[in-house]
Amino acid sequence: KAGVTQTPRYLIKTRGQQVTLSCSPISGHRSVSWYQQTPGQGLQFLFEYFSETQRNKGNFPGRFSGRQFSNSRSEMNVSTLELGDSALYLCASSSTDRGIGQYFGPGTRLTVT
Amino acid sequence: AQSVTQPDIHITVSEGASLELRCNYSYGATPYLFWYVQSPGQGLQLLLKYFSGDTLVQGIKGFEAEFKRSQSSFNLRKPSVHWSDAAEYFCAVGLRSNDYKLSFGAGTTVTVRA
Repeated sequence: KAGVTQTPRYLIKTRGQQVTLSCSPISGHRSVSWYQQTPGQGLQFLFEYFSETQRNKGNFPGRFSGRQFSNSRSEMNVSTLELGDSALYLCASSSTDRGIGQYFGPGTRLTVT
Repeated sequence: AQSVTQPDIHITVSEGASLELRCNYSYGATPYLFWYVQSPGQGLQLLLKYFSGDTLVQGIKGFEAEFKRSQSSFNLRKPSVHWSDAAEYFCAVGLRSNDYKLSFGAGTTVTVRA
């Protein structure tokens, strides 16, 4: 089974721009979560989608948004980029079985200049 | 407040020696517990998980972890470390009512010396 894929792997944007990141979950997994990883704040939960509905949301400003498509693929969008948004953005997928754990993709490294 | 603590920021261990990484959590009830490993520039790989049953859990790459309810701990161990085990290790917890939202510890970086 193919793992979680994320595109692009690397991205450089300018402050004030917006960016869209994509995630394709493991086949059959319907839950997709997004995390932000920075040296200062560590790994922080952004949001989780299941069957095209956002079920969980972390403590991030409204500039961070996401969506999920009917094939479970997910995108996250960050508008009006700030320097502090530079981070590794990780996508994770999980099945409907509770406690199975989340399986992470390689991440998208976003640099905001 | 709910929290996950990894007391050791950095551990250096000799190749072939044993390794133990500590994780403590503060939650109202026993959560689901996970250990992940991250190599430089990579995503997170699930090493093992605990949700019920036997408190000693076996994972991949020769790792095991023991859940101790009385100590709210879930420590990771490996009897003999290989140079390829050098990485950052994260303990994570998820509520049994909502394990799709993980809370992570700050991570422990493991350096393996020859």
